[in-house]
Amino acid sequence: NAGVMQNPRHLVRRRGQEARLRCSPMKGHSHVYWYRQLPEEGLKFMVYLQKENIIDESGMPKERFSAEFPKEGPSILRIQQVVRGDSAAYFCASSPLADTEAFFGQGTRLTVV
Amino acid sequence: KNEVEQSPQNLTAQEGEFITINCSYSVGISALHWLQQHPGGGIVSLFMLSSGKKKHGRLIATINIQEKHSSLHITASHPRDSAVYICAVRGMEYGNKLVFGAGTILRVKS
Repeated sequence: NAGVMQNPRHLVRRRGQEARLRCSPMKGHSHVYWYRQLPEEGLKFMVYLQKENIIDESGMPKERFSAEFPKEGPSILRIQQVVRGDSAAYFCASSPLADTEAFFGQGTRLTVV
Repeated sequence: KNEVEQSPQNLTAQEGEFITINCSYSVGISALHWLQQHPGGGIVSLFMLSSGKKKHGRLIATINIQEKHSSLHITASHPRDSAVYICAVRGMEYGNKLVFGAGTILRVKS
């Protein structure tokens, strides 16, 4: 049973481009969480999704950021018109049920140049 | 004041020493997690606790719900234990999202 898979591991984008980060949860996990770790800062919650539904997006910036978890395929975190301040490590975690232990991926390190 | 406070922020130990990292939180929780992150690496879940004590190898985690406090202990520390250790809570008022402490940077010297 493969762990949580995130790709790409590293992503470089120029200011104004779009960034798409993918997260394939562990097999049998239908709950996905995205977290962001800014340089020299702690992890912060962004969004919680369950298959085809956004459950909690209270940590998502109001503009340019969106997330989805379709019925088939990975969860996608999309950042439009990236700015330098979006440079961070983005982690995805998944769990089988709402209150159970979540398992983290290796993260995607986004650098905006 | 952060909802999750960890101490110490930085810790340097000699190989073989017993290490304790502390975590205090200010809200009612349904679970507390201890996570490990190596530099540039992913995040590994070490423990999820809602009461009592758990042990895995040289790692022990305890939680006192009444005092809103948890500790992570490492026995017979080794340089490969060098990493950032992060405490995170799932609070009753937060839904299912985790709220994280700032992390404790541990360096174990040989």
